This record gives sequence, C-alpha cells and structure tokens, in this order.
Amino acid sequence: IAGITQAPTSQILAAGRRMTLRCTQDMRHNAMYWYRQDLGLGLRLIHYSNTAGTTGKGEVPDGYSVSRANTDDFPLTLASAVPSQTSVYFCASSDSDTNTGELFFGEGSRLTVL
Amino acid sequence: GQNIDQPTEMTATEGAIVQINCTYQTSGFNGLFWYQQHAGEAPTFLSYNVLDGLEEKGRFSSFLSRSKGYSYLLLKELQMKDSASYLCAVLDSNYQLIWGAGTKLIIKP
Repeated sequence: IAGITQAPTSQILAAGRRMTLRCTQDMRHNAMYWYRQDLGLGLRLIHYSNTAGTTGKGEVPDGYSVSRANTDDFPLTLASAVPSQTSVYFCASSDSDTNTGELFFGEGSRLTVL
Repeated sequence: GQNIDQPTEMTATEGAIVQINCTYQTSGFNGLFWYQQHAGEAPTFLSYNVLDGLEEKGRFSSFLSRSKGYSYLLLKELQMKDSASYLCAVLDSNYQLIWGAGTKLIIKP
C-alpha cells in the first residue's frame, strides 16, 4: 500500500539519550516535512526538505537534525533528548516543493522524554 | 506575527449542519487548507481554497473570503464518524504552512 511510514509508533526514552525517528515514503514525492503536535497548539514545522540532498529549518528546529540522502527517506534525530521534546511527531510529504499540494501524513510517533 | 484562530471545541447533533470558522492574519496568502484529524490518527486532507467563494465536496464545503481573512468549513448531514478535530492552515507568502490549533468537533446522537 502506497503511503508514508513512520517508526517507532511510540517510544519512551531518558533525557540525554539520542533518538532517531524514521520516515519512509513510496510515493516519489519531492518534498518531505517533520512536524510536532502539542496539545492546544497547531502543528509546528521542525525541518523540511524540498528535494533529495537539501534540507531547511522550520519554525522549531533547535535540538533536531534531519538528512535527505534519497527521495524516500527523511529521518529526524534528537541528539540529546530533553523533556520539552515530549510530543507527537508527524512526518509528511507532498508532490510540490511550494507546499501548494496536499500533504500526506504518516501515522505519527509518540515520544515521551523522561 | 502570524495567527490562525479557530474555536477550540464545538458540539453538534447527528444529522444537523455545523460551520467551523477560521480567521487568519498572515504575511501574504497563497491558499488555505482544511484537514480532518481523528483522535490518535494522522491529519487527512479535506479541501484547498485559493480564490474567494465556496467549494463543495459532498457533505463538506469550504468557503474563503480573502479580503476578510476568513474561511469556514461547513459539514452537512452530520454523522458520528465526523467527530474529529478540524485543522485550518494558511500558506503564507514564503509558502510556509501556518496551522491553527484545531477545532474539536463532538457529535451527539
């Protein structure tokens, strides 16, 4: 089934640990995004990539890094997790690098940092 | 600053009609999106408006007035499965999506 897959779906980790959230899409979309969603707030963009080999910073990039080695994969890394990074993380992709197209979201990764 | 406002929560009755409003103040405008998000799930696309007027898609319609910085999502013949959060998002002049916090819609029998 075509779509976008995230892993893990849920994770609890200790503060200070390194964590990578994986995201893979098989729709050959150029653009990919990482958002975090917190209660009472809108989705906030962490990092994005308009095409393989390029990445950019979103609204809340501090403490996170991404890479885009190929079209399909867009992992998000927390180098040293802190409790404020407890959130639900959504990866998304679109067929347009101007964000005018529909966003397709993964099912989310619920991260708890203790 | 950029701002998207929508009600936090609304309640409606099965079979009725509900209108969810969204007002925005952004640096430029390149379109407005509505997404539906069921609890614990990913957002899914509902509509995209870039010109003024009403776009109808089955039981769902979306309206846009750019001069007023205003949009609404209209849901007709409400069903229990329409219980979800509805997210309004605006594409600004830099083609960045600015998201509202979402409106939680509760449908009662």
